[in-house]
Amino acid sequence: DVEMTQSPLSLPVTLGQPAFISCKSSQSLVSGDGNTYLHWFQQRPGQSPRRLLYNVFNRDSGVPDRFSGSGSGTDFTLKISRVEAEDVGVYYCMQGTHWPPYTFGQGTKLEIK
Amino acid sequence: EVQLVESGGGLVQPGGSLRLSCAASGFIISTYGMHWVRQAPGRGLEWVASIEQDASENYVGSVKGRFTISRDNAENSLYLQMNSLRAEDTAVYYCANFDYWGQGTQVTVSS
Repeated sequence: DVEMTQSPLSLPVTLGQPAFISCKSSQSLVSGDGNTYLHWFQQRPGQSPRRLLYNVFNRDSGVPDRFSGSGSGTDFTLKISRVEAEDVGVYYCMQGTHWPPYTFGQGTKLEIK
Repeated sequence: EVQLVESGGGLVQPGGSLRLSCAASGFIISTYGMHWVRQAPGRGLEWVASIEQDASENYVGSVKGRFTISRDNAENSLYLQMNSLRAEDTAVYYCANFDYWGQGTQVTVSS
């Protein structure tokens, strides 16, 4: 199974400042079709998860452009350019290249400092 | 508008069974891979099972042989039959195609 490792696990950020979350996979997530199936999800307190980005850097509909994704192979990053209060929650990366099983990172809890 | 609405959760004794349902609207589930993802109390997300467009099924190792995923195309609904339940199956279970997620249904396995 592909192991997904996120860091940091806790991320206190000042409003208006940038935030970076790292996600590393135990093997390359480049698929045989050339796509990289690495996705990012946000789970606000008390809510269901919501996908923010798919295939590394593609924003889902309605996701603010302050969220961006980058990376390749085994190393990926979620960046929030200017953190807002509504960004508080837990962020998960997930790989969909080598399945089953689909595997998630442990989650990164973002809070306002 | 896309909606996924889970039901069927509850309290069950160890060794018991439950059947979760997920009613979909706004899209046709047979055209997507559909998934069950769970979240134990205070823990992260864990993928449980999927049924692909071709109706092939996949499971995480810890539920193989105990859980069965299925769908009813006429009802546009997804199901998860859970047998031989254990305390470690206690979680909120979400139905999702990853683009969209339901609100979740709580399953508690306890005597």
